[in-house]
This record gives sequence, C-alpha cells and structure tokens, in this order.
Amino acid sequence: EAGVAQSPRYKIIEKRQSVAFWCNPISGHATLYWYQQILGQGPKLLIQFQNNGVVDDSQLPKDRFSAERLKGVDSTLKIQPAKLEDSAVYLCASSFQGTPYGYTFGSGTRLTVV
Amino acid sequence: QKEVEQNSGPLSVPEGAIASLNCTYSDRGSQSFFWYRQYSGKSPELIMFIYSNGDKEDGRFTAQLNKASQYVSLLIRDSQPSDSATYLCAVPTLTQGGSEKLVFGKGTKLTVNP
Repeated sequence: EAGVAQSPRYKIIEKRQSVAFWCNPISGHATLYWYQQILGQGPKLLIQFQNNGVVDDSQLPKDRFSAERLKGVDSTLKIQPAKLEDSAVYLCASSFQGTPYGYTFGSGTRLTVV
Repeated sequence: QKEVEQNSGPLSVPEGAIASLNCTYSDRGSQSFFWYRQYSGKSPELIMFIYSNGDKEDGRFTAQLNKASQYVSLLIRDSQPSDSATYLCAVPTLTQGGSEKLVFGKGTKLTVNP
C-alpha cells in the first residue's frame, strides 16, 4: 500500500510571498488532515476533510491560509501572504473513515519563511 | 479543546534502562490514548494505543492508563539508542462535524546513551 505523498519536501520563501503544499492520501482514505508542527511542539490540526467537505477548520488562520480537496482525493494547502511565524513542518495525514486508529502521516513539507 | 500535557524533557537514560514517559489530559471523558514516536526530521508513527485502565504491553513497550488520575504513561524496557526520538501523546476529540481528530501534546524528547 502506497503511503501518504506530500510535496515539496522543503520550501524557503520570503515573508509576504505565497506558497502551496500538495498531499495525496492513501487510496480509499476518505478523511484527510493538515497539521502544522512548529519546532519543539506537537502537531496542531489546521483543517480536516471528509471526502471533499470540511469537517473542522477551527484552528486555520483563514485570513492567510486556505485549503481545498476538490475531488475528494488529493488536497492543496496555501498560505498567502506568509509570515515568519508560519515557519514549520506541514504534515498531511489520512485515515479510512475519520477514525484515529488508522492515522497515517506523510513525510511533511518543511517551510522556512525568511 | 482537550488539553494534553507532557514533560518536554529532554529525558536521558542509559542503554538497557527503563524509560518512563508521562502524559496528563484534561477531559475526564476521554476514552482512548495514543503514543506516537517521531524521529528527528521524520513524521510521527504510531507505537500503540490504549483504552482500558491498566497496562497494555507490546514487545518492549508498555502503556499504562489511569483514568481516575487522568494519566497515561509509556514505559520502554531495555532502552536502545535507536529509541532516541520524541514521543508524542495524543487524545481523540470530536469535531463539529462529528468525526474525530487527534490532539497532540508537545512531546518528550528521549535520548538513550550507549
């Protein structure tokens, strides 16, 4: 079974620029999660999709962050404009039907904002 | 949102010793608890989960749950240098949409010295 694919692996941008991250979950996994992990902290959920609908985006900074999962498969997370405090690893995870027992994380995208 | 507290460490133990990692949680209604291991620069991977009071053993790992004290721990017996990583405690919480998401603690960094 192929894992959760994410790209790019690393990204360096200047503040106020925009950036996008891509995630392709495990085939058949209806639930997709985007987490932000700042250095030295645990992952924090930004947004959760069930198929192509949003079920939780309560901690997504909506003035600068957006995410979509148009066909219920892969997803894109965008930041525009980026701030220095957005420097973090962005982890995508998927599970079969929203159960935490089957969470699988991708390798993450490390973003550095300078 | 549920709070999950961990000692950030770092925790250092000699090879062959028992490493004890602790986690407390705020919601008395929490039913299940997850331990993830995260190597430096890698994504979290599930070690084990527990939902009943008492101990659950898996190889060198033992999870202990005390719901009355709202306390869950992870013991690693015969610690090896390869166990050096950050250990994350996670608790599921319901989203507004009715599915579950994992809320993570900050993690405890463990170093096993040869």
